[in-house]
Amino acid sequence: LAKTTQPISMDSYEGQEVNITCSHNNIATNDYITWYQQFPSQGPRFIIQGYKTKVTNEVASLFIPADRKSSTLSLPRVSLSDTAVYYCLVGGGEEYGNKLVFGAGTILRVKS
Amino acid sequence: ETGVTQSPTHLIKTRGQQVTLRCSSQSGHNTVSWYQQALGQGPQFIFQYYREEENGRGNFPPRFSGLQFPNYSSELNVNALELDDSALYLCASSWGVLSGNYNEQFFGPGTRLTVL
Repeated sequence: LAKTTQPISMDSYEGQEVNITCSHNNIATNDYITWYQQFPSQGPRFIIQGYKTKVTNEVASLFIPADRKSSTLSLPRVSLSDTAVYYCLVGGGEEYGNKLVFGAGTILRVKS
Repeated sequence: ETGVTQSPTHLIKTRGQQVTLRCSSQSGHNTVSWYQQALGQGPQFIFQYYREEENGRGNFPPRFSGLQFPNYSSELNVNALELDDSALYLCASSWGVLSGNYNEQFFGPGTRLTVL
């Protein structure tokens, strides 16, 4: 299975850019990389998904190197409301029986 | 368009009992996945249902079972409850099966199960 590794926690200040890196050395050829955000007592919420190179949407960017063994979620100009747990997710490919693997998550604390 | 809903919100059971958790998918979605999230940990994939059939399973024992109904709502059943089954159980719906290029999953708020 494509196991993921993320930093346990990160601290930042409002207005700064935050980069969270996820390692996934055993990612399968057909797997995509997806990031989710989770607030306490809520289900995770989709942030962004990519396969290779760079993907950008209205809330984040995702950078994936050519070997796809890692990925970096970039949050521009964070605010206090971005304080949450961020999960890196790979999997879903038939090679691994459609199983999905969440990382342990990164606790992001944004301070004023 | 209604989101994913789960019931009940909270549940307390004793060891050895059986429990059924329910999930209503977001309108238009035909795939449901269930996850177990222990306190302080990431969600762990239990299984997925696509058009009423199991379509992928995580490392959970057979006492964890599920159903998906024709309206794509779903149930998670856990028999012979153990203390370690205490967790937040999350349901997520999506359109289409989970594959390398899988579609966004929409999560419900979860059911908090406590086993005493």
